[in-house]
Amino acid sequence: DVKVTQSSRYLVKRTGEKVFLECVQDMDHENMFWYRQDPGLGLRLIYFSYDVKMKEKGDIPEGYSVSREKKERFSLILESASTNQTSMYLCASSLWGQGRGSSYEQYFGPGTRLTVT
Amino acid sequence: DAKTTQPPSMDCAEGRAANLPCNHSTISGNEYVYWYRQIHSQGPQYIIHGLKNNETNEMASLIITEDRKSSTLILPHATLRDTAVYYCIASTGANSKLTFGKGITLSVRP
Repeated sequence: DVKVTQSSRYLVKRTGEKVFLECVQDMDHENMFWYRQDPGLGLRLIYFSYDVKMKEKGDIPEGYSVSREKKERFSLILESASTNQTSMYLCASSLWGQGRGSSYEQYFGPGTRLTVT
Repeated sequence: DAKTTQPPSMDCAEGRAANLPCNHSTISGNEYVYWYRQIHSQGPQYIIHGLKNNETNEMASLIITEDRKSSTLILPHATLRDTAVYYCIASTGANSKLTFGKGITLSVRP
């Protein structure tokens, strides 16, 4: 089974702290994604990566950066955490699609609930 | 990605079929219809996808209208564990990117 793990289920940080959220997948997937989920807003894509050292902005990249030094690991970085970044953060991975719909299945981790105080 | 429209919520009785509708009137020819669900406190889970033809797997069936402007996800015998938010997504999956909307909350009652 595909496994996507996230470093923490719950995290509490203070305003202004630098926060690292780590995600690891064990299926050699090319694509990795970071979403945040807030009540009433659904899932929103922050950043994604389709290869090592490659990244692309999603719909809400402001205030975030990412790092992908190894294929299996994708990190989300909050340079200076703010209270409006309190949210559930979800990581996902998938194979490279190359036009085939069946390759677009995304596998999600359990999520990290981040609270910034 | 084409916009999809789902009702905010619906319910059904345990053991009955749950039919979850989705409108995607602006879908283009190379966009697939994907369904995911999210059970409380878990990450979303892939259910099924299709392009033109109806599809069935061990979890559900997907019925896509001939004009592809709408689709229905069918859970043939809903159980309490099927209570979740269900997301309908229309996407080419370029770079495998999917856009999740707000979904429909399905409540299965005993």
